Amino acid sequence: GENVEQHPSTLSVQEGDSAVIKCTYSDSASNYFPWYKQELGKRPQLIIDIRSNVGEKKDQRIAVTLNKTAKHFSLHITETQPEDSAVYFCAASTRSSASKIIFGSGTRLSIRP
Amino acid sequence: NAGVTQTPKFQVLKTGQSMTLQCAQDMNHEYMSWYRQDPGMGLRLIHYSVGAGITDQGEVPNGYNVSRSTTEDFPLRLLSAAPSQTSVYFCASSYFGGDRVIKQYFGPGTRLTVT
Repeated sequence: GENVEQHPSTLSVQEGDSAVIKCTYSDSASNYFPWYKQELGKRPQLIIDIRSNVGEKKDQRIAVTLNKTAKHFSLHITETQPEDSAVYFCAASTRSSASKIIFGSGTRLSIRP
Repeated sequence: NAGVTQTPKFQVLKTGQSMTLQCAQDMNHEYMSWYRQDPGMGLRLIHYSVGAGITDQGEVPNGYNVSRSTTEDFPLRLLSAAPSQTSVYFCASSYFGGDRVIKQYFGPGTRLTVT
């Protein structure tokens, strides 16, 4: 089955700097890669996603890149702000299993003032 | 729309007790899933369903049962609670968006403690 590995487990960056979180996946059939943000005590919320036929996607300060050959994908947050502090999860799935979404172990991002 | 709802929000069980965590969605989503989240860890898939009457095992199914008799409801049953099942349980529902991309929505979670 699918296995998703995520690095780093914790990340601290100065406010205004960029943050990068990296994930790798094992199942070459995976073709959908969402990213979730979870604030303390809250439910995970989808922030951005990318399909396998797209190499990069941007949404304001957030971007995701995908390298299907190497089976890795990354989340980039630019101009970080205090409200970006949270735990971020990457995940992977196939279109044929829309409810079987496998998550990475998470990255706790802290933004230093 | 209420979205994805879960009851109860908190529960304390003794070892060996059984109980059912309820999950319901009013968005007519085909797909539903149960995850557990242990402190400082990611979400691990317990069971999932691709439609009414169809369920399958995820990464950590042992000790849990599910059924999906309707599109709206997807209860998770703990057969004989163990301290290792102390966790936060999230239910989620998902569907294919207009661009054929999966959109998944989580419920608020149930915090379960087994003593």
